[in-house]
Amino acid sequence: EDQVTQSPEALRLQEGESSSLNCSYTVSGLRGLFWYRQDPGKGPEFLFTLYSAGEEKEKERLKATLTKKESFLHITAPKPEDSATYLCAVQAKSTASKLTFGTGTRLQVTL
Amino acid sequence: DGGITQSPKYLFRKEGQNVTLSCEQNLNHDAMYWYRQDPGQGLRLIYYSQIVNDFQKGDIAEGYSVSREKKESFPLTVTSAQKNPTAFYLCASSTLTKNYGAFFGQGTRLTVV
Repeated sequence: EDQVTQSPEALRLQEGESSSLNCSYTVSGLRGLFWYRQDPGKGPEFLFTLYSAGEEKEKERLKATLTKKESFLHITAPKPEDSATYLCAVQAKSTASKLTFGTGTRLQVTL
Repeated sequence: DGGITQSPKYLFRKEGQNVTLSCEQNLNHDAMYWYRQDPGQGLRLIYYSQIVNDFQKGDIAEGYSVSREKKESFPLTVTSAQKNPTAFYLCASSTLTKNYGAFFGQGTRLTVV
């Protein structure tokens, strides 16, 4: 069974204080790993797809990396508008399009 | 604009009543999904469909039903058999030809009283 574990559950940062969010996964043949951002009361917004170990993707202050067992979402010099819940999901080669999600990391960035 | 539309945004129902949540997409995606989100539990898959007139149960299908009569539409019915229906419901869609992940609607918050 595919599993995704995210840590920490919650993270409070001051503006400009860089940090990383972790996503550990077990899957029988990774087809893709996905990062989403979710604001309260809204649907998740797609951020990145990673396909193989060693791959990295960047978007503004966010950078996602992937190893064979985990992925990191690095946040550099965060701003208050980066406050949200960040979700990680995996897709296995055997289950076609089905995504398995972690429970998310709730990030709060204060001034 | 292309996207996924869920309606209504908020829904209140009395216990014992069936209720149908709407999901429409104009992205020409083959696959559509329904997820349920509860505090502290992440997103859990209820049903998914990869082609018209075919769908599969997800991890928590009991008490729910779906149909896929058109490519653009994937309505979810929450039946009276669902023991704890109050939750945030999210619909998503994806293409099967390229692995871009799933795109989500804005959700429907269902409250059963």
